[in-house]
Amino acid sequence: ETGVTQTPRHLVMGMTNKKSLKCEQHLGHNAMYWYKQSAKKPLELMFVYSLEERVENNSVPSRFSPECPNSSHLFLHLHTLQPEDSALYLCASSLDAGQGPKNIQYFGAGTRLSVL
Amino acid sequence: DAKTTQPTSMDCAEGRAANLPCNHSTISGNEYVYWYRQIHSQGPQYIIHGLKNNETNEMASLIITEDRKSSTLILPHATLRDTAVYYCIVLRSYQLTFGKGTKLSVIP
Repeated sequence: ETGVTQTPRHLVMGMTNKKSLKCEQHLGHNAMYWYKQSAKKPLELMFVYSLEERVENNSVPSRFSPECPNSSHLFLHLHTLQPEDSALYLCASSLDAGQGPKNIQYFGAGTRLSVL
Repeated sequence: DAKTTQPTSMDCAEGRAANLPCNHSTISGNEYVYWYRQIHSQGPQYIIHGLKNNETNEMASLIITEDRKSSTLILPHATLRDTAVYYCIVLRSYQLTFGKGTKLSVIP
């Protein structure tokens, strides 16, 4: 148990559906992250939030829309996805998003997404 | 990005020390080295980090060379549960950039 909880653990959706992934951290951290891990590829950073402000958007298509209503919760809203978006989506949090030991990131177990 | 180079895979006998090397020759003076591992289909797990000095915690030891261009993660007594992909990462700005890592197989 890392203190970062992701729901749902598994999600199957059609290309016309709208769904949301949820992440909650109970660690008192100020920074939260979304990563994508496709089959046989390294983890890719998608979004970074620090103190509820988005500080990074790594050229992610607009069909992925993040939301950070407070420092404990992070959402990833999904719409009109493509089959190639099928992947493991991981959430992480850290004390802050700067350099050094305060950026030790703790990961959730991920949401396994399948787009049909 | 501060690039890291790791062997693709390694084997280690159960109960023996596992020594995982990492080359990070382009690291800058204030950049930290982090090690994570990922057990199949789970989220990555933080192991240890360091800047200049060697570090030890309950999971592992980290040996960083004096020139900081390489490091070694040591699992002192590997168990079957240590079978995972191990990632050596140089933190640049606030981004952890994961490479392909080393797949460590602990053999009974």
